[in-house]
Amino acid sequence: AQSVTQLGSHVSVSEGALVLLRCNYSSSVPPYLFWYVQYPNQGLQLLLKYTSAATLVKGINGFEAEFKKSETSFHLTKPSAHMSDAAEYFCAVSDYNNDMRFGAGTRLTVKP
Amino acid sequence: EAQVTQNPRYLITVTGKKLTVTCSQNMNHEYMSWYRQDPGLGLRQIYYSMNVEVTDKGDVPEGYKVSRKEKRNFPLILESPSPNQTSLYFCASRVADGSYNEQFFGPGTRLTVL
Repeated sequence: AQSVTQLGSHVSVSEGALVLLRCNYSSSVPPYLFWYVQYPNQGLQLLLKYTSAATLVKGINGFEAEFKKSETSFHLTKPSAHMSDAAEYFCAVSDYNNDMRFGAGTRLTVKP
Repeated sequence: EAQVTQNPRYLITVTGKKLTVTCSQNMNHEYMSWYRQDPGLGLRQIYYSMNVEVTDKGDVPEGYKVSRKEKRNFPLILESPSPNQTSLYFCASRVADGSYNEQFFGPGTRLTVL
């Protein structure tokens, strides 16, 4: 079965700094990969997804992620952090068996 | 507005008192699922349903029941809640055609079992 590991349960950056949230996956078949964001007291909202088209995926709010098969990674980046980016971020993996599995989450703090 | 709704949003109950958390979606999605979110564990799937009258266990089904009598509704039932079921619960839905489609999540239900 596929699985996801998110490195770092908490990440803190200064406003304007690069955001890098790490995600590594394990899957025996070509995966579909997702990044979701959860703002306080809200449900999960899709940021972006990889479905075997372009390896560099652009999402909402200036985020992007690159699928690297050789590294089994799907790291999320944003060039310049904004205070409104403070939230919890989840990486998820799915395959043709319809199971979606989530990582443990990374809480992003943005310092002024 | 396309959405997944859950009720109640907050619930405090006592051990053994049966409860139901409702979930409804207005997007005509075939696939619906329930997750629980616990600190450090992310989201874990409890049950899912591929369509009406079709349900299956996820990773953590013990202590939960579901039913899917109508396409839009997928209630989660705890017949005898215990403190270890204190958690944040999310309902989600998506089209059934392809697991590359993202799931749409409800706002969550925070359950405390005393």
